[in-house]
Amino acid sequence: AQKVTQAQTEISVVEKEDVTLDCVYETRDTTYYLFWYKQPPSGELVFLIRRNSFDEQNEISGRYSWNFQKSTSSFNFTITASQVVDSAVYFCALRTSGTYKYIFGTGTRLKVLA
Amino acid sequence: DAGVTQSPTHLIKTRGQHVTLRCSPISGHKSVSWYQQVLGQGPQFIFQYYEKEERGRGNFPDRFSARQFPNYSSELNVNALLLGDSALYLCASSPGQPTDTQYFGPGTRLTVL
Repeated sequence: AQKVTQAQTEISVVEKEDVTLDCVYETRDTTYYLFWYKQPPSGELVFLIRRNSFDEQNEISGRYSWNFQKSTSSFNFTITASQVVDSAVYFCALRTSGTYKYIFGTGTRLKVLA
Repeated sequence: DAGVTQSPTHLIKTRGQHVTLRCSPISGHKSVSWYQQVLGQGPQFIFQYYEKEERGRGNFPDRFSARQFPNYSSELNVNALLLGDSALYLCASSPGQPTDTQYFGPGTRLTVL
């Protein structure tokens, strides 16, 4: 069975702090795809990053970085120097090969305080 | 370029009624997926369509149906509405390959009274 767990329900940080959002996934497939989406109060899910299971390196994109660890089935997402505009609910999602659906976690609400 | 658009933005219905939600994908995208997001939860997959054919279906009752038109826009229909159908309904589009990233619209918030 496939599953995504986001154990952090809500996180509060002060502006300019770094924050890491945790994601643990379950799948028996060897090929799969992991995503992070941001959902601001408006409701739209905004695509942030994608990682394929066969990619070798972790990456950085601006203030965003991610740490993919197959050994622990984790796909954590870090925002550096957080800003108030980063306040939103963040979802981790999994898609396995052979299916078309995304499996989402329950989300982590991030509050960045000025 | 315009993103995924959905209509209406909000909708209020009563139990037993029928509802139709609409979605227009990003230009050039041929695949549309529908998700239901209940308050406080992550989105749950309902359907995916590609080239007017259903390519995947989630664990939802037959009261839920959808279709895709030749211009790749899509409709989600829900019959015999229940209170539990109250949710944000999200549409996502992708170019068409199974490995493509899905891009989401703003959603339609359905309230069933």
